[in-house]
Parts: sequence; structure tokens; C-alpha cells
Amino acid sequence: DQQVKQNSPSLSVQEGRISILNCDYTNSMFDYFLWYKKYPAEGPTFLISISSIKDKNEDGRFTVFLNKSAKHLSLHIVPSQPGDSAVYFCAASAGNNDMRFGAGTRLTVKP
Amino acid sequence: DGGITQSPKYLFRKEGQNVTLSCEQNLNHDAMYWYRQDPGQGLRLIYYSQIVNDFQKGDIAEGYSVSREKKESFPLTVTSAQKNPTAFYLCASTRGAGWADTQYFGPGTRLTVL
Repeated sequence: DQQVKQNSPSLSVQEGRISILNCDYTNSMFDYFLWYKKYPAEGPTFLISISSIKDKNEDGRFTVFLNKSAKHLSLHIVPSQPGDSAVYFCAASAGNNDMRFGAGTRLTVKP
Repeated sequence: DGGITQSPKYLFRKEGQNVTLSCEQNLNHDAMYWYRQDPGQGLRLIYYSQIVNDFQKGDIAEGYSVSREKKESFPLTVTSAQKNPTAFYLCASTRGAGWADTQYFGPGTRLTVL
């Protein structure tokens, strides 16, 4: 039962352009969402989060958008840099229940 | 440097053998977690522990066991009862016991059953 889905396993973007990573969820009780970034041979690291009371959260080049009615969130990276090449995981939690992760999207930023 | 260490990085096991994956943190975090990652799937929760000497089953606990005798250590044993143990295993910790806390992950252990 995949409550959090990242339907694009991979994405390739040119350096300097915008990267948009998408995530859909099915559980309307989810109220906190996070994005993690994972480099090869390393564990995921926290990137950015958003609470369900907001629809946007920005941190430097990274912005997360939340559309609760569509049960959709997205991560925008502008401008994309080669160092952003990694696997990005979307995660969601509902109150005090465990966190659910998506399968990840591999982003490749070409110089 | 504070962080989470997992050892070994690669582990090979024969069918029918138990094997223990190590996870240590020096972040003074209360809670620790074990996840499994398979190709094309998100991280799936195996076990978690929010306090020393206590742990809870996650979604896929069958065939696994854990202990939490010390705050900084949360070893995972993959038993012979686990039908498909070949996977990438990630350990994580959070400062508090809340699920919305940021999870800090170790580098992972790749287990291959021969």
C-alpha cells in the first residue's frame, strides 16, 4: 500500500534550468511533508519540509509547494546545479503516526 | 563529528544464517529506526524505538529482531525466517520521539543473501 508515490523514477535537467520533482499521496490525514536527498553510498539527508497549514515553503534555491486538494506536492530547484544530482525522496506523516516514503526520483543535472 | 554509523557497508550471508547489522549514533537522539529499501519502492519501516529498552514493530517486522539496551545503539538482526532479506538497510534517528522530527540517516548496509 504505497501511500506516497513518486511516479517519475528519473529526471534529467540542464544546468541553470528549473528541476521539478513531483509527489502524490493518498492519505488525507498526512499533515507534514518532507523531502530528503540521497547521494550514492550515503544515507538520505533532510532537505526541506512543509506543514499542511502552508502551501509553500522556500529555502534558498529549493521551494516546496503543497496542493492539499490535489494531494500533491512538488519540489522546485532553481537554478539547478550539477551538485544537485541525487535521488530525492518525498515523505509524509500524519500526526503521531509513522512516516511514509516515496520510491524516490533520480535527478541528473547536466553541465 | 556527530552522526550515525552503520556497519558493515556490504554484507553477504548464506541462506539459513542469522546476521546482525550495527547502528550507532552519537547525536544523543531519543528515537532510532530501521528501514529497508528495495528497488522501485520507498523506504519501509521495520522496527523503531522511541526509548531505551522499548521498541515497536513497523510494517515489515516479520523475520527481523532488534534490541535497544543503550540509547546510542540499535542493532538489527535479520533472521533465517526473513524470506527475502537481500536489500539495502538504513538506520535513522530523531532527536525526539515525534514522527515529524527530522530523521538523520546512516550510510546504509547492503545485505546480499547468497
